[in-house]
Amino acid sequence: AQSVAQPEDQVNVAEGNPLTVKCTYSVSGNPYLFWYVQYPNRGLQFLLKYITGDNLVKGSYGFEAEFNKSQTSFHLKKPSALVSDSALYFCAVRDGGNTDKLIFGTGTRLQVFP
Amino acid sequence: DTGVSQDPRHKITKRGQNVTFRCDPISEHNRLYWYRQTLGQGPEFLTYFQNEAQLEKSRLLSDRFSAERPKGSFSTLEIQRTEQGDSAMYLCASSLGTGGGQFFGPGTRLTVL
Repeated sequence: AQSVAQPEDQVNVAEGNPLTVKCTYSVSGNPYLFWYVQYPNRGLQFLLKYITGDNLVKGSYGFEAEFNKSQTSFHLKKPSALVSDSALYFCAVRDGGNTDKLIFGTGTRLQVFP
Repeated sequence: DTGVSQDPRHKITKRGQNVTFRCDPISEHNRLYWYRQTLGQGPEFLTYFQNEAQLEKSRLLSDRFSAERPKGSFSTLEIQRTEQGDSAMYLCASSLGTGGGQFFGPGTRLTVL
């Protein structure tokens, strides 16, 4: 069965510092991996995806994610955090060959302090 | 705004009543998805359509839930005989084909009293 784990409920980082939000996954086939961000009282916004190809994926708002097949991880990163990045981040996986549904993690709240 | 839209944004109902939500996807998107999100959790998949065909339904979708996409454009999600446990945010998303990102609407927040 597909599953996603986001081991940290909250990540705190100072503005200007690099940030990492962790995600590990489990699927039976080839993984399709996604990151979404959710601001208060707003829907999920798509940040980036990995389907195939280069393990480093670049997305919106300066975010990037690194796919690591051996560690079954897809961590979200940004070189320099902004206060406006503070939000709830969700990792999601799709079992590439078998279904179109996304399985989401429980989310990580990112707090960027000035 | 050419994104995914949902109506209503908020719905308060009494236990036992029926409710219906509407989702309008991005116009060229042929796939449409419904998810449910409760507080402190990530979205949970309910069902999805390719054009008007319902391709997959979650076991979470009890007999009280039904979704339609009659003309392959907008979709409706109906919950019959609502229960307090149905209180959640109902999210709709759409995508163009398979493999692309799913783009989400703002959601409909349901409160069952």
